[in-house]
Amino acid sequence: DGGITQSPKYLFRKEGQNVTLSCEQNLNHDAMYWYRQDPGQGLRLIYYSQIVNDFQKGDIAEGYSVSREKKESFPLTVTSAQKNPTAFYLCASGQGDLSNQPQHFGDGTRLSIL
Amino acid sequence: DQQVKQNSPSLSVQEGRISILNCDYTNSMFDYFLWYKKYPAEGPTFLISISSIKDKNEDGRFTVFLNKSAKHLSLHIVPSQPGDSAVYFCAASAAGWNFGNEKLTFGTGTRLTIIP
Repeated sequence: DGGITQSPKYLFRKEGQNVTLSCEQNLNHDAMYWYRQDPGQGLRLIYYSQIVNDFQKGDIAEGYSVSREKKESFPLTVTSAQKNPTAFYLCASGQGDLSNQPQHFGDGTRLSIL
Repeated sequence: DQQVKQNSPSLSVQEGRISILNCDYTNSMFDYFLWYKKYPAEGPTFLISISSIKDKNEDGRFTVFLNKSAKHLSLHIVPSQPGDSAVYFCAASAAGWNFGNEKLTFGTGTRLTIIP
């Protein structure tokens, strides 16, 4: 069954610690995305990758880093430089033409600060 | 600057009646619009979309209307069912961005509650 898997579902970070959120897709999509959702706000784009070994900053990239070494994987690292990391993080993937295949989302990771 | 706006944070509708969710946008370059439905602690799921060359798209109980001159779109759900209770996000995309038309800008969402 094709889809997007995010892990872990819940994650706790200590002050000054980097944490990495996993995102894997088996939809054979070229593009992958990371969004952040805060209460009362829409989804905001953190980073996106159009193709393996390439990625671009989204609207709120500061304090985050990504890599795209494999087509199916797009991990997000929340660094200690991100001063307000508590949020719900969503990974998505897509394949070019939105009219044929809209972006698919994983079930998210909720990150909290200890 | 919020380019996609959903001005109603919440909406309650009686079961069986019509639910109308609204969305406004400011960027005239947007040419493709989508609605996503989201349950708590889950990712959004795609519901319905519309291209700017159309003014209406229908899929079962769901219809999306687009008014380009007003930069406004709406989602109609009829008849509303209890399982429709969720947060609905409007999203927009512009062709010609550096990687085609996939980059989405989301609204803040409307929480729809269907009253049995």
